[in-house]
Amino acid sequence: EDQVTQSPEALRLQEGESSSLNCSYTVSGLRGLFWYRQDPGKGPEFLFTLYSAGEEKEKERLKATLTKKESFLHITAPKPEDSATYLCAVQDFSGTYKYIFGTGTRLKVLA
Amino acid sequence: DAGVTQSPTHLIKTRGQHVTLRCSPISGHKSVSWYQQVLGQGPQFIFQYYEKEERGRGNFPDRFSARQFPNYSSELNVNALLLGDSALYLCASSLQGQSIGAEAFFGQGTRLTVV
Repeated sequence: EDQVTQSPEALRLQEGESSSLNCSYTVSGLRGLFWYRQDPGKGPEFLFTLYSAGEEKEKERLKATLTKKESFLHITAPKPEDSATYLCAVQDFSGTYKYIFGTGTRLKVLA
Repeated sequence: DAGVTQSPTHLIKTRGQHVTLRCSPISGHKSVSWYQQVLGQGPQFIFQYYEKEERGRGNFPDRFSARQFPNYSSELNVNALLLGDSALYLCASSLQGQSIGAEAFFGQGTRLTVV
């Protein structure tokens, strides 16, 4: 059964203090791995799609990487506005097109 | 460009009642999926529709049903509401079915509270 585990559950950083969030996954065949940002009470906002091991994507202070077992979301010199919950999801080739989400990492960046 | 729109944004219902949630996908997207998100958890897959056909169903009871209309908008229906159905209900649209691993774009959600 497909499974996604995110760590840590919560992370507090000082502004400018770089760090990484982890997403470990078990999937029968990876169709895609997705990163989303979610603010309280809002729907998830799409950040990145990764398809194969070794792939990297960047957007502003965020960089996502992918291996055969896990993905990392690296946050460089974060700002308070980066505070949010970051969700990781995988999709397999079962044909249902469903996403399996992790429980997320709650990030708080202090000024 | 309009994103995914959901209505209503908030809803309070009594146990045993029925509820209908609505979703309009991004123009050009033919796939709509529904997710339930309980506080502190990641979204859980409920249904996926593509070209008006059900393509996937998650582990939810038969009280949950959905449909997709010719204009690709969708409704999620929940009968005999239970307190445990209180959650944020998310709709996502994508080009799924046309490209591999196409990303899903989510609406702002409907916050359902069952009392």
